[in-house]
Amino acid sequence: EMQLVQSGGGLVQPGGSLRLSCAASGFNMSFYWMHWVRQVPGKGLVWVSRINSDARTTSYADSVKGRFTISRDNAKNTLYLQMNSLTVEDTAIYYCALCRYCSRTTWDRFDPWGQGILVTVSS
Amino acid sequence: SYTLTQPPSVSVSPGQTARITCSGDALPNQFAFWYQQKPGQAPELVIYKDSERSSGIPERFSGSSAGTTVTLTISGVQAEDEADYFCQSADTTGSYVVFGGGTKLTVL
Repeated sequence: EMQLVQSGGGLVQPGGSLRLSCAASGFNMSFYWMHWVRQVPGKGLVWVSRINSDARTTSYADSVKGRFTISRDNAKNTLYLQMNSLTVEDTAIYYCALCRYCSRTTWDRFDPWGQGILVTVSS
Repeated sequence: SYTLTQPPSVSVSPGQTARITCSGDALPNQFAFWYQQKPGQAPELVIYKDSERSSGIPERFSGSSAGTTVTLTISGVQAEDEADYFCQSADTTGSYVVFGGGTKLTVL
């Protein structure tokens, strides 16, 4: 069974940093594009970032560009999201997701998703 | 920026048919995907490429497309179908992905 298990969330002060991890099991993540999506509790889903299979191509939503960095370690079958200069507007549940059929110019289904992890930015 | 529009809520009685719509100008040129999200859980893929049912999803779930609107149909709704449903697609050029605002399905 393909599974994504997330870790690293929590409470951080405005201006602080946090790194999220997403460990894949049941499949070799190195073949696929991986994404981060976030959701303010009770609200909708918002795409955050993506990275291609060999980590040479990344892109970000405008709201996080320059502050967040997506990366991956295929040897560890793990995806990361480094979040710096956090603001209260970054408070959300963060999900990692696999996109098997995505490419640089094609968006496809996100399946599976990690369990989600809450990031709270507050003083 | 490109947006997908869903009704905030849909209510049906058990056994009836629920239809959840998602409208967007690029939908004639881009596939749509549907996710079900129950409280405290991650989204789960229900429908991909407008009308293909994801593995393990009951046959009562179906998807269709007509012009700038895609529709998720749940026939013979069951209590366990009560959830939030989100559509996903891309802008015309495929530059970015967007999600609809979500529809809360209530089973009366």
